[in-house]
Amino acid sequence: DGGITQSPKYLFRKEGQNVTLSCEQNLNHDAMYWYRQDPGQGLRLIYYSQIVNDFQKGDIAEGYSVSREKKESFPLTVTSAQKNPTAFYLCASSPPLAGGRNEQFFGPGTRLTVL
Amino acid sequence: GENVEQHPSTLSVQEGDSAVIKCTYSDSASNYFPWYKQELGKRPQLIIDIRSNVGEKKDQRIAVTLNKTAKHFSLHITETQPEDSAVYFCAASIKGGSQGNLIFGKGTKLSVKP
Repeated sequence: DGGITQSPKYLFRKEGQNVTLSCEQNLNHDAMYWYRQDPGQGLRLIYYSQIVNDFQKGDIAEGYSVSREKKESFPLTVTSAQKNPTAFYLCASSPPLAGGRNEQFFGPGTRLTVL
Repeated sequence: GENVEQHPSTLSVQEGDSAVIKCTYSDSASNYFPWYKQELGKRPQLIIDIRSNVGEKKDQRIAVTLNKTAKHFSLHITETQPEDSAVYFCAASIKGGSQGNLIFGKGTKLSVKP
């Protein structure tokens, strides 16, 4: 299970506050992803980054921001503009495509609760 | 946009029976189809995957079949055990500007009754 870590495991936030979720990987992967998981909704892509200093919006980017200053790190900030931030957040990374195979490795997740 | 439909959303079987989960995808350019298993409160983990140049792949009690013409693929678990109880997600790769990305189905909660 090592290689990609997320912290904290649980996070509580008051309405109107920004919070930052950490994601670190030592797998030397170029690509990193942030997903949001809600019950019955599967995994929805928030942001992704295929290389350092570059990132792209996913399907549900509104109210979130990211940075990719280092290959190993891809922090996610949940801003006060996100109307319903309570969810389980998963970070993932993947090596370069090899023969069309893109296995993604997931972190243990952060459960964010807005009080 | 691209979409992956997964059925059923819940599945309950007796220990020893088989379980089948089906997914359909919309992007005809998709060429990689992984299946992830997520136990309660844990991270999703890859259990099997298949590429578009293969019609079937097996790994012990699990197998995946792919029908590119119909754009659907299925996960088959035989001789189910209580430890197979989890949420299973299918996914399909995306081409174009977001090459390498995956679109996930909404998941199937499998319960195996002893």
